[in-house]
Amino acid sequence: AQKITQTQPGMFVQEKEAVTLDCTYDTSDPSYGLFWYKQPSSGEMIFLIYQGSYDQQNATEGRYSLNFQKARKSANLVISASQLGDSAMYFCAMRETLNSGGSNYKLTFGKGTLLTVNP
Amino acid sequence: KAGVTQTPRYLIKTRGQQVTLSCSPISGHRSVSWYQQTPGQGLQFLFEYFSETQRNKGNFPGRFSGRQFSNSRSEMNVSTLELGDSALYLCASSLEAGGITDTQYFGPGTRLTVL
Repeated sequence: AQKITQTQPGMFVQEKEAVTLDCTYDTSDPSYGLFWYKQPSSGEMIFLIYQGSYDQQNATEGRYSLNFQKARKSANLVISASQLGDSAMYFCAMRETLNSGGSNYKLTFGKGTLLTVNP
Repeated sequence: KAGVTQTPRYLIKTRGQQVTLSCSPISGHRSVSWYQQTPGQGLQFLFEYFSETQRNKGNFPGRFSGRQFSNSRSEMNVSTLELGDSALYLCASSLEAGGITDTQYFGPGTRLTVL
């Protein structure tokens, strides 16, 4: 089974509107971290936002917010007031322990969602 | 503060050759991870280094190897190149390996083409 599932291969949004990118994850570890990255066509992965499994509040970072629903194992990224420069691939990732005892960790990525912002 | 740098940015090799890619982490970061990104397989973890020691390794053949130096700079080597090794190789650094909050910051990548 996939650890990280991003069901939207592509999404379109009008400039200045909000958009939600979906991410569901699968883990039995109670302690994990969830990350979103943006990858423009240039290739560099840009860190956007982080949510820890024990965090009580949803993470926010400027125009980015994370809609974290732990029971549903979902961590959707919300981008408000979309800009043309937001057009890129967006990846959801999870960091979890590789072994009980928690000394080794691994970051696993989803397949990504290609967001296109239309003027 | 300077970001993660990777050299070279682009590389063209032929089958059977070997290649070495270099990564300089953000100043103060002690952990370096490497990923391979292809259209078919997506982002796949190669290995992670911390304090010159390989801490984790992904499911790649032994042709893929790496090392980390005392200044945290890292290199990865691919020997006996195959066509399927054509990919974007991304390096990421973090303050320290360990903990769910450890955020990885990525470099611009090295795009390797094997002919």
